Parts: sequence; C-alpha cells; structure tokens
Amino acid sequence: KNQVEQSPQSLIILEGKNCTLQCNYTVSPFSNLRWYKQDTGRGPVSLTIMTFSENTKSNGRYTATLDADTKQSSLHITASQLSDSASYICVVSSFSGGYNKLIFGAGTRLAVHP
Amino acid sequence: GAGVSQSPSNKVTEKGKDVELRCDPISGHTALYWYRQSLGQGLEFLIYFQGNSAPDKSGLPSDRFSAERTGGSVSTLTIQRTQQEDSAVYLCASSPDRSGYGYTFGSGTRLTVV
Repeated sequence: KNQVEQSPQSLIILEGKNCTLQCNYTVSPFSNLRWYKQDTGRGPVSLTIMTFSENTKSNGRYTATLDADTKQSSLHITASQLSDSASYICVVSSFSGGYNKLIFGAGTRLAVHP
Repeated sequence: GAGVSQSPSNKVTEKGKDVELRCDPISGHTALYWYRQSLGQGLEFLIYFQGNSAPDKSGLPSDRFSAERTGGSVSTLTIQRTQQEDSAVYLCASSPDRSGYGYTFGSGTRLTVV
C-alpha cells in the first residue's frame, strides 16, 4: 500500500532556531517528492519538488533532501521565523492510471515561539 | 482568475441535508482534483477531472458523494444526506495538465455537519 509517514507529528521551536522534519515513504512507482506548507485556514503551497535524481533542493531558508534508495526525505528550516508556524506536508507523486496521483503525509505541525 | 477559488469558505449544515461545494480552477488548467482533509489526517483523494476524459472517481467514499465539472472549468462537489463524519475541509486543486506540475490549491471549504 502506498504510504507517506512524517515525523514528528508536532514540533515547537524558538524563533531563530533551526529544525528538521522527516518523511519516509513507500510509494511505487515514484515520480517526484514535494514539500508543502499549509497555513491555518489556507490550502497547501508548494515549497520544493524533487525528482528521483535530485538529492537536495533549496527554496530560501527551506532545504529539502531526498534519498531515493532509503525512501527518505527531510525538510530543514534555517533561522526560523514566526511566520514559519504552519503544517508541513510531505507528498509523493506516483504516475498511475494515466496521471500523476499525489499521496499525502499527515503533516508536521510546527509552532515557532518568540 | 489568479488562483483557485472555492466557495463557500465555511458551511454549517444539519445532518441529512444536501450540500454543494464549488471550485473555480485557474483559467486554462485542464486538470482538477478534489480532496478531503479531516483533522489530523493527510489529504484524502476524492476525484480527478482531466479535460473531457472520464473522471477518476475512485476516491469517493460513498454514493452520497458526486462531482461534476461543467464546460471543463467550474466543478461542483455534492454531498447528499450529510452525516457528521462528513465534517472536514474540502480542498480543490488544479494543474495545467496531467503531469501534476503547477499544482495549485484553493483555500478550501470547511464543512461542519451538526
């Protein structure tokens, strides 16, 4: 069964600190892996998309890594800001039935405190 | 429009009533998706439309759920005889084609069945 698991479920950090969120997946076939940020009451917004051959991708203070052999990904947030408080969702795309289907993790809820 | 628009943003309905949720995708996007997000859960796929092709309805949880997309643009998700377990945020997304790149989510409709 295709699954995406994220850890931790929730996390509290102080403003200015770094943190790393984890994602493990069992999805086949694999097309790409995405990290989304979802603010409360809003839809998810894409942060990064990585294909099988990409090991790392950055978007400002966000850096995602992908190990396709171990089927693990991480999202590192540097110098956190209050506005980083949100849910971060790991999503794996799988081409099946003629289109790319997205399989979503349950998300990590991050709270950044002053 | 500039983004994916969903209406209403919030809906409270009595158990047993029917509800309609609307999604206006980005102009020119041929692919449209509906998801359900329950508290603490990952996004659950409901249905996918691609152009004039037959939709992928494999995610609809019961025959009380249906969706249509008129003229390849606006989509309506209908839930008949609502139950309390239908309470969730219903998210719509669109993308330019079946590749899944350029995926954009709406802000969702929060449905509460009382």
